[in-house]
Amino acid sequence: GAGVSQSPSNKVTEKGKDVELRCDPISGHTALYWYRQSLGQGLEFLIYFQGNSAPDKSGLPSDRFSAERTGGSVSTLTIQRTQQEDSAVYLCASSSYRVRDEQFFGPGTRLTVL
Amino acid sequence: AQSVSQHNHHVILSEAASLELGCNYSYGGTVNLFWYVQYPGQHLQLLLKYFSGDPLVKGIKGFEAEFIKSKFSFNLRKPSVQWSDTAEYFCAVNAIKAAGNKLTFGGGTRVLVKP
Repeated sequence: GAGVSQSPSNKVTEKGKDVELRCDPISGHTALYWYRQSLGQGLEFLIYFQGNSAPDKSGLPSDRFSAERTGGSVSTLTIQRTQQEDSAVYLCASSSYRVRDEQFFGPGTRLTVL
Repeated sequence: AQSVSQHNHHVILSEAASLELGCNYSYGGTVNLFWYVQYPGQHLQLLLKYFSGDPLVKGIKGFEAEFIKSKFSFNLRKPSVQWSDTAEYFCAVNAIKAAGNKLTFGGGTRVLVKP
């Protein structure tokens, strides 16, 4: 597609429920990133995928967070047993894997945990 | 680990005024530097980037930034702002290394340009 797309655009859930957030990167981009944007923490890195390499999970805040990338394209970020502090905008970005390439961001998914 | 700090959280100015947003990072190695902008209701967009070479880089919409290695700074400037420059601005860094290009962001600066 023309840009990075994410779905849903908004998600409201109850505390304790699981949620799945989806990201479609730009076609041909081999690198995919998840970030979180929240009032208290700003923009934080969560996880990074590059091709078939093991993902860099160093930014995941707890083991309730996980992500997968199927077929080297679409990625799903899963949050289990959601907590109110998980409320944030979850951003996906993609880039080609060259050191000097910029990351292109999607519109984000706004997650609200009641 | 790298960190990025932006000096101002909020800036209010009038049209035609000059804008300078400060950004400092802490990391001892080689970095790529970026400024992203988020207009109201829109997603993050790249304003400009620095990888190497001329430390004064020019971006879109009349923005420029200067990399001063000795000060670990990458300040953003625009000589004359417009109302349409109202947005939140983020400085970001990624460390050049073999594994990944994850960005570390500053806290952002909200800029309000009064017409």
